[in-house]
Amino acid sequence: AQSVTQLGSHVSVSEGALVLLRCNYSSSVPPYLFWYVQYPNQGLQLLLKYTSAATLVKGINGFEAEFKKSETSFHLTKPSAHMSDAAEYFCAVSGGNTPLVFGKGTRLSVIA
Amino acid sequence: DVKVTQSSRYLVKRTGEKVFLECVQDMDHENMFWYRQDPGLGLRLIYFSYDVKMKEKGDIPEGYSVSREKKERFSLILESASTNQTSMYLCASRPTAGNTGELFFGEGSRLTVL
Repeated sequence: AQSVTQLGSHVSVSEGALVLLRCNYSSSVPPYLFWYVQYPNQGLQLLLKYTSAATLVKGINGFEAEFKKSETSFHLTKPSAHMSDAAEYFCAVSGGNTPLVFGKGTRLSVIA
Repeated sequence: DVKVTQSSRYLVKRTGEKVFLECVQDMDHENMFWYRQDPGLGLRLIYFSYDVKMKEKGDIPEGYSVSREKKERFSLILESASTNQTSMYLCASRPTAGNTGELFFGEGSRLTVL
């Protein structure tokens, strides 16, 4: 079985500041891990994914995440926030052939 | 590009009505999923299907049913809508079981039950 915990339902950063969104997972099998982004009134769009290759994963829009097995974490970062990054972000885990299990989401606000 | 199309973006229905939410994908994907999204609860899995005419219950199937008569189409049915089913419904698909698990999502259907 898999589960995901996202720490912080709402994160607020200043434009140009570091973005850090936290995700911890639990999985009984080697996990596949994902970050999705959702803009208002839209579906979910894949930002990046970890599939047991490189532990540092680069995604779209300057985001990256690092898989740390010892910490069961997959935190999402971006060096410099932009106003257009304001959205809701979801971390998700899968065992490969199982449905994705999602966290509760983190709403990112970017302050000018 | 993969396209997952949900037939209705916004619906308003009355309590007790039967509601159909339709989802079509154009990339010959084997697996299809229905999630509901509520503030503070994230996405919760209602039903999924790994093949035509197959269906599996997810975490919150009560009050819902599904139909998958054709590979490209996966319908979510609310037999008798209730106000606690007011939510955003998201359909998703992926190529096959055993792959990385990445899902491709539709734009969502926002249902209001009065």
